[in-house]
Parts: sequence; structure tokens; C-alpha cells
Amino acid sequence: ELKVEQNPLFLSMQEGKNYTIYCNYSTTSDRLYWYRQDPGKSLESLFVLLSNGAVKQEGRLMASLDTKARLSTLHITAAVHDLSATYFCAVTDSWGKLQFGAGTQVVVTP
Amino acid sequence: GAVVSQHPSRVICKSGTSVKIECRSLDFQATTMFWYRQFPKQSLMLMATSNEGSKATYEQGVEKDKFLINHASLTLSTLTVTSAHPEDSSFYICSAPGLAGTLHSSTDTQYFGPGTRLTVL
Repeated sequence: ELKVEQNPLFLSMQEGKNYTIYCNYSTTSDRLYWYRQDPGKSLESLFVLLSNGAVKQEGRLMASLDTKARLSTLHITAAVHDLSATYFCAVTDSWGKLQFGAGTQVVVTP
Repeated sequence: GAVVSQHPSRVICKSGTSVKIECRSLDFQATTMFWYRQFPKQSLMLMATSNEGSKATYEQGVEKDKFLINHASLTLSTLTVTSAHPEDSSFYICSAPGLAGTLHSSTDTQYFGPGTRLTVL
């Protein structure tokens, strides 16, 4: 059974500082996704990572994938208030279904 | 980019009634759609896979007679919560797989609907 673990589950960030969210998964997978969810809203796609060593960047967010370690990281550079949200990683299982991590609630304060 | 819509966005109903939620892929066809449920402060849990032209497949622990799924066309899937009870109150989200990117470089991805907030009194 595919399991996806995220940590930390809660992250209080100071504006301007850098932070990392980790996503571990238990079995081989084709692809890994990162999503953002604002309160009361649905999911917004951030990144899709397909191969070992893949790195994608968008603004202050950068995601990487190490398929050998079954680990993905979401790095936040110089946090700003607008990045406050819950971030989920998700991995496709052998049936193509998405298995989500528990989510990381990010709060950015001045 | 591809868009998935859901209707209604919010519904309040009395215990014992049935509620239908629609999920539409607006500019692409989806032979498969997924239905998720999210309780407050929790992650998304896959409930079932909706398949156009065949029966839905349900995840373990999800009652198929309570959560009726009909994939009526290549752009529409419906989830009906039958005899709803307060414990069914949740945020229901559908998704459809599609391609993101350009014609020359595309990636399989999942497009999520905006969600339906169900409150059962």
C-alpha cells in the first residue's frame, strides 16, 4: 500500500526566511505532485515532477524529486504572507490514483 | 488551461434527503473522474473512480449504495449522497486527468474542481 508522509504538518514562517517541506512516499511511483490549498478553496496545482533529479521553480517555490530516496522537497525562499496556505504532496499509485500526504499548514508572519 | 467545474458550490440540506453534485470537464473529455472527500483540517481522501460507460469503482470503506456515481457523458460525472446524515457533511472535490503544457511538451496532470461544501442539518 502506498503511503505518503509529509512533514512538518504545521510550519510557522517568518517573512524573508527560507523553509523546506518534505514529502516521503513508500513505493515506486510515476509522478509526484505539489498542490496549494487556501481555506475554503479547492486545490491549485503547483508542480508535477516526473523523473529522478527533477527540479521545478515558480517564483519563491522550488520543488525537487529524488526517486531513489522516494523523497520530494518543496523549498520556500524568502517567505511572504501570500504564501500562507496548506500545501499537499500527492503521488500516483500503480492504478493511477492519487494518494495525498496529510498536508502542511503554512502560516507566514511578519 | 483545462477547467473542471462543480455544481453546486455549497448546499445545505436536511437529514434524510439526497443531494446531487455535478462535476463537469469544460473544455476536454474525461473518461475517468475522481471523487474526493475532505473533512476540516484533514487531507483529501479518494472515495471513488467514476468511469464513463461503466460502473464506478469505490475505495475500501465507501458505501456504494450511499454515494451513487453516474458518469453520464465524457464531460459529466455526478455524485449523489443518498439519505444524507450530519456525518456526511464535508467538502467534496472532483478531479479529472488531463494534459498540461504545450503541444510539444505535455504532462499528465489532474484538474480539480472548485469543490462542493455539503452541510447536513
